[in-house]
Amino acid sequence: KAGVTQTPRYLIKTRGQQVTLSCSPISGHRSVSWYQQTPGQGLQFLFEYFSETQRNKGNFPGRFSGRQFSNSRSEMNVSTLELGDSALYLCASSQTVAGELSYNEQFFGPGTRLTVL
Amino acid sequence: AQSVSQHNHHVILSEAASLELGCNYSYGGTVNLFWYVQYPGQHLQLLLKYFSGDPLVKGIKGFEAEFIKSKFSFNLRKPSVQWSDTAEYFCAVIAPYGNNRLAFGKGNQVVVIP
Repeated sequence: KAGVTQTPRYLIKTRGQQVTLSCSPISGHRSVSWYQQTPGQGLQFLFEYFSETQRNKGNFPGRFSGRQFSNSRSEMNVSTLELGDSALYLCASSQTVAGELSYNEQFFGPGTRLTVL
Repeated sequence: AQSVSQHNHHVILSEAASLELGCNYSYGGTVNLFWYVQYPGQHLQLLLKYFSGDPLVKGIKGFEAEFIKSKFSFNLRKPSVQWSDTAEYFCAVIAPYGNNRLAFGKGNQVVVIP
């Protein structure tokens, strides 16, 4: 079974630009979560999508947004980039079943390294 | 919301030494607990997890962790490390009946000297 894939792997942008990152979950996984990893803050939860709906959201400004498509693929968008947005953005998928409260293992992708100049 | 603390961010030890990494969380309700590992240049991958039952959990590569509910702790151990255990280790907690959001600790960078 193919793992979680993320594209692109590396991005360089300048302040004020916007960026879109893509994530393809493991086949059959319907939940996709996004995380930001930085040396100072560690891994921080951005949001989670399930069945094309945002089910959970972390404490990030509205410049960070996402969506999920009917095939469970997900994109996240960051508008008006700031220097502090430089980070590794990780996507994770899981087989969470709607209405099932117990948590399933999240499988992580390799991440997209975003550098904002 | 739950939070996770990991101490001793940088750990250096020799092969065959024992490793113990501390993890404490703050949340009063039911939690699911995880340890993830990130080897150099590789994805985050699951070492072990605790949902319920026996509080001593065994994971891959000889790692184990013990959930002590009264101490809000989930410490990771390995009796004898190898050079290949050099990696960053993250403790994570989710409150399935709370915000159902995975919260990570800041990580432990472990370097094993051959």
